[in-house]
Amino acid sequence: AQSVAQPEDQVNVAEGNPLTVKCTYSVSGNPYLFWYVQYPNRGLQFLLKYITGDNLVKGSYGFEAEFNKSQTSFHLKKPSALVSDSALYFCAVRDIWTGRRALTFGSGTRLQVQP
Amino acid sequence: EAQVTQNPRYLITVTGKKLTVTCSQNMNHEYMSWYRQDPGLGLRQIYYSMNVEVTDKGDVPEGYKVSRKEKRNFPLILESPSPNQTSLYFCASSLAGEKYGYTFGSGTRLTVV
Repeated sequence: AQSVAQPEDQVNVAEGNPLTVKCTYSVSGNPYLFWYVQYPNRGLQFLLKYITGDNLVKGSYGFEAEFNKSQTSFHLKKPSALVSDSALYFCAVRDIWTGRRALTFGSGTRLQVQP
Repeated sequence: EAQVTQNPRYLITVTGKKLTVTCSQNMNHEYMSWYRQDPGLGLRQIYYSMNVEVTDKGDVPEGYKVSRKEKRNFPLILESPSPNQTSLYFCASSLAGEKYGYTFGSGTRLTVV
C-alpha cells in the first residue's frame, strides 16, 4: 500500500522568508511524487513532480522540492515566500509497481504567509 | 482551453434523492477519477476508470456509482445520498502512464440534508 504523511496542518512564515512544507511517503516500490496547490474555491493545481533523475525538482511559481530516498521525503521549498503563496498544499504519491494508477494524497498543509 | 469541467459547482439535496455529478474532459485523457475531499483527511479516491467501459473501485466507493460510456465523460452517481456524503468532490483526468499527474476540475460542493 502507498501512503503520504504531511505532519503539519499549518505552516506560518513571514513574507520574504524561506518556506518548507514537509512530506514523507511510503511505497512498496519506487515512487512518483507530486505537489499540488489549492486556492480557495478552486480545484487542485499541479506544482511539480519527481519521476526520476535529479533529486531537486523545480516547478511553478518558484517552488522546488527535494527527493530524499533514504528519508522517504519530498519536502516542498521556496527561497522567498509571497503573501500570494498562502494556500492549501497537498503532497501525493504513486507507486510505480502497483497496477492501480491512483494518486494517494496527504491530508494537506495550510501555508499562511504574513505580510 | 484544456480542462476538466464539473457540474454543478454547488448542490444541496435531501437524503435519498438520486443525483448525478457530471465530469467532462477535452484532453483525450484515458484515465479519469473521482475524489472526495474532507477536512483533515485530504483527498480520497472513490472510483477510477482506465478507459472506456473500464472502471474500478478506489478507497471509498460505498454509496457511489460511475460509468464510462464515452472517453470524455465520467459521471458520478449517488443513488441514495446520505448526510455522510456531504463533501467536496473533484474529478480528475490524466494520460495513461504512471508518470503523469492529474488535471483537476474545479470541484462540486455537495450538501445532503
